[in-house]
Amino acid sequence: GAVVSQHPSRVICKSGTSVKIECRSLDFQATTMFWYRQFPKKSLMLMATSNEGSKATYEQGVEKDKFLINHASLTLSTLTVTSAHPEDSSFYICSASLGLGAGAKYNEQFFGPGTRLTVL
Amino acid sequence: QQQVKQSPQSLIVQKGGISIINCAYENTAFDYFPWYQQFPGKGPALLIAIRPDVSEKKEGRFTISFNKSAKQFSLHIMDSQPGDSATYFCAPERRGSTLGRLYFGRGTQLTVWP
Repeated sequence: GAVVSQHPSRVICKSGTSVKIECRSLDFQATTMFWYRQFPKKSLMLMATSNEGSKATYEQGVEKDKFLINHASLTLSTLTVTSAHPEDSSFYICSASLGLGAGAKYNEQFFGPGTRLTVL
Repeated sequence: QQQVKQSPQSLIVQKGGISIINCAYENTAFDYFPWYQQFPGKGPALLIAIRPDVSEKKEGRFTISFNKSAKQFSLHIMDSQPGDSATYFCAPERRGSTLGRLYFGRGTQLTVWP
């Protein structure tokens, strides 16, 4: 149980285009979803936290107009990279949390497999 | 992420040896201390975690040692195998946080030679 999927796994796009990445919790309802960015051989950097039906909370330094997050349902969150540029090329990872209400006392997060974005 | 300091940055161990990775934290509000394992091109996965009311937890070849007074916890991998070669992250979590934010360390790249 507790499987999180991401789609696509890899995407290559031209500079200036927008790219949408989907994150789905397959067998549980996620009260909270997180979006991370990871550069090669580096740690995960939290970009934003989203709760179903409300606006995402962005970390300092993350442009909310560039990285649009929509948490439309308890099983789906999307990250749209708008007007992508080569510096946006990275590995994007989402995670989903059951939340306190589901008996998971410590809000365990389950991570997706990641999406490799390459902007030419 | 300055709240968490992980060491070493990289570690090379011979098959059958013991791998030890350390994590020091500053925030005393942390109350959940997990280690995540990440293979190249994949998302991280929870490996083992400990709560602050115990000093050690063992699951198979993996052990967490927790020192609350020193604000440190470590991951020990016994009988290390080539399949353990991966990047390991400590990522403590803050008490009472309804958002469940993890504070990731910088990661340790473990290579186990056959």
